[in-house]
Amino acid sequence: QKEVEQNSGPLSVPEGAIASLNCTYSDRGSQSFFWYRQYSGKSPELIMSIYSNGDKEDGRFTAQLNKASQYVSLLIRDSQPSDSATYLCTILSGSARQLTFGSGTQLTVLP
Amino acid sequence: KAGVTQTPRYLIKTRGQQVTLSCSPISGHRSVSWYQQTPGQGLQFLFEYFSETQRNKGNFPGRFSGRQFSNSRSEMNVSTLELGDSALYLCASRQGQAITEAFFGQGTRLTVV
Repeated sequence: QKEVEQNSGPLSVPEGAIASLNCTYSDRGSQSFFWYRQYSGKSPELIMSIYSNGDKEDGRFTAQLNKASQYVSLLIRDSQPSDSATYLCTILSGSARQLTFGSGTQLTVLP
Repeated sequence: KAGVTQTPRYLIKTRGQQVTLSCSPISGHRSVSWYQQTPGQGLQFLFEYFSETQRNKGNFPGRFSGRQFSNSRSEMNVSTLELGDSALYLCASRQGQAITEAFFGQGTRLTVV
């Protein structure tokens, strides 16, 4: 089992819709969770961090964490074509204290 | 505040050569991590340095090495380059090991021919 699993996609949504990106992880000791956005040919950009169970909202982005289910998600409301990118679910593993990345979900927002 | 700076941005090397990549973290950040990104393997952790000491190491051969200087700048070296080493090499800086948010540089695109 991979440490961080994401649906690789591609995921396509129409402009203005809600995009839902999901991720599960295996290390129960993980305490820190992040979502990075990576445009093609660019480096990852941190867009959300979440540390406790529940929802965290920042503008059009909402991160959700459920440690009991080992599940993290990212919702993008009012999706825009500029949101088209690969989204990387990332955890800071409890034991090794290093970031582990999922393989990424490629999102396309259709105008 | 300047971000993470990686040099060079692009590099073409021949099999068997060696290469050194540089990373200057955000001012005040003491932790630097290195990653290799390829289309097939995604982002793979190479190593992390904090206060000039290697704190973590990923599952890469000994040809991959690194170091960190007293000003927190870090270098990564790859010796005896192989075609499979062609990748985007990214470094990320964190303020400290207890501070978990990491910020990436623009990366160095290495092509081995």
